[in-house]
Amino acid sequence: DIVMTQSPLSLSVTPGEPASISCRSSQSLLDSSGYNYLDWYLQKPGQSPQLLIYSGSNRASGVPDRFSGSGSGTDFTLRISRVEAEDVGVYYCMQALQILFTFGPGTKLDLK
Amino acid sequence: EVHLVESGGGLVQPGGSLRLSCAASGFMFSSFGMNWVRQAPGKGLEWVSYISGSSSTIYYADSVKGRFTISRDNAKNSLYLQMNSLRDEDTAVYYCARGNYGGLTFDYWGQGTLVTVSS
Repeated sequence: DIVMTQSPLSLSVTPGEPASISCRSSQSLLDSSGYNYLDWYLQKPGQSPQLLIYSGSNRASGVPDRFSGSGSGTDFTLRISRVEAEDVGVYYCMQALQILFTFGPGTKLDLK
Repeated sequence: EVHLVESGGGLVQPGGSLRLSCAASGFMFSSFGMNWVRQAPGKGLEWVSYISGSSSTIYYADSVKGRFTISRDNAKNSLYLQMNSLRDEDTAVYYCARGNYGGLTFDYWGQGTLVTVSS
């Protein structure tokens, strides 16, 4: 199975400041066509997870442009340009290269 | 608007069985693969099972293989998870999630249904 790791596991950010979360996979998620099989999800407190980013860098419908995804292969980053109160929650990366999908442990973001 | 509504959760004894359902609306259900994802209390997300739109392709996590069975009824726009030989470690909120972008991204999730396995 592909193992996903994230860092940091917790993050405290002042509203209006940027935030960055790293995700690493135990094997490359890049296929021969250039597609990265890496998604980012946010689970807000008391809610179901929601899709933020797919294929490493594509924002899902309705996701604010302050969220961006980058990276390729085994190293990926989720950036929030200016954190807002509604961004609080746990962020998960997930690999979709193998149908035995696996998630990272999650990064909990809260406000200072 | 896409809606996914899970039901069927509850308290069950170890070794028991339970059948979860997920009612889908707002999209052409038969055209999308569907997944079950679970979350143990206070823990992270764990993918459980996938079924293609035609039911021709099915996958399970190793942790549930041989005990859980995923199925769907496209005429009823419904997804199911039959859970047998339940263990304490199966206690979790179970979410159904639509697969998009080749079935490899979970673009819509239900609100979840809680399964508690305890004597």
